[in-house]
Amino acid sequence: KAGVTQTPRYLIKTRGQQVTLSCSPISGHRSVSWYQQTPGQGLQFLFEYFSETQRNKGNFPGRFSGRQFSNSRSEMNVSTLELGDSALYLCASSPGGGTGELFFGEGSRLTVL
Amino acid sequence: AQSVTQLDSHVSVSEGTPVLLRCNYSSSYSPSLFWYVQHPNKGLQLLLKYTSAATLVKGINGFEAEFKKSETSFHLTKPSAHMSDAAEYFCVVSDWLSTDKLIFGTGTRLQVFP
Repeated sequence: KAGVTQTPRYLIKTRGQQVTLSCSPISGHRSVSWYQQTPGQGLQFLFEYFSETQRNKGNFPGRFSGRQFSNSRSEMNVSTLELGDSALYLCASSPGGGTGELFFGEGSRLTVL
Repeated sequence: AQSVTQLDSHVSVSEGTPVLLRCNYSSSYSPSLFWYVQHPNKGLQLLLKYTSAATLVKGINGFEAEFKKSETSFHLTKPSAHMSDAAEYFCVVSDWLSTDKLIFGTGTRLQVFP
């Protein structure tokens, strides 16, 4: 069974630009969550989608948004990039039953210059 | 609100010696607690989880953790460290409203020396 796939793995953007990150969950998983990992703030929850609906949202500004498609694939978007948005963005999928057992991808490393 | 505190940012052990990674939790409700591991340039992997069925939880790769309500602790242990155990370990509690929303500790970096 294929794991969680995130694309792109690495990207470099400049301040003010926007970025879209993609996540393909494990087949059959209906929940997709996004986390931001930085040296200073650690791992922080961004949002969770289940069956195309946002089920939970973390404390991030509105520049951070996401969506989920009918095939459970998910995208997150960050607009008007700031230097502080440089981070590893991790996607995780789960069947959606609330077990807390998440399966993580290897992440998309975003560098904002 | 739920939270976890990892008491050590770095732990160094010699190969073959025991590993102890400490975690205290804070929760108004009976918590769901987890340990996740992150190897360099990799995503996170679940080591084990506690969901009130048993206080001693066994995980993968020989790791186990004991839930102690009186001490609000959930320490991770392994009897004998292996070089491949070198990684970052995260103690995690799930949000009481949504158990798929995870709240991570700050992490403990485990170094294993030969």
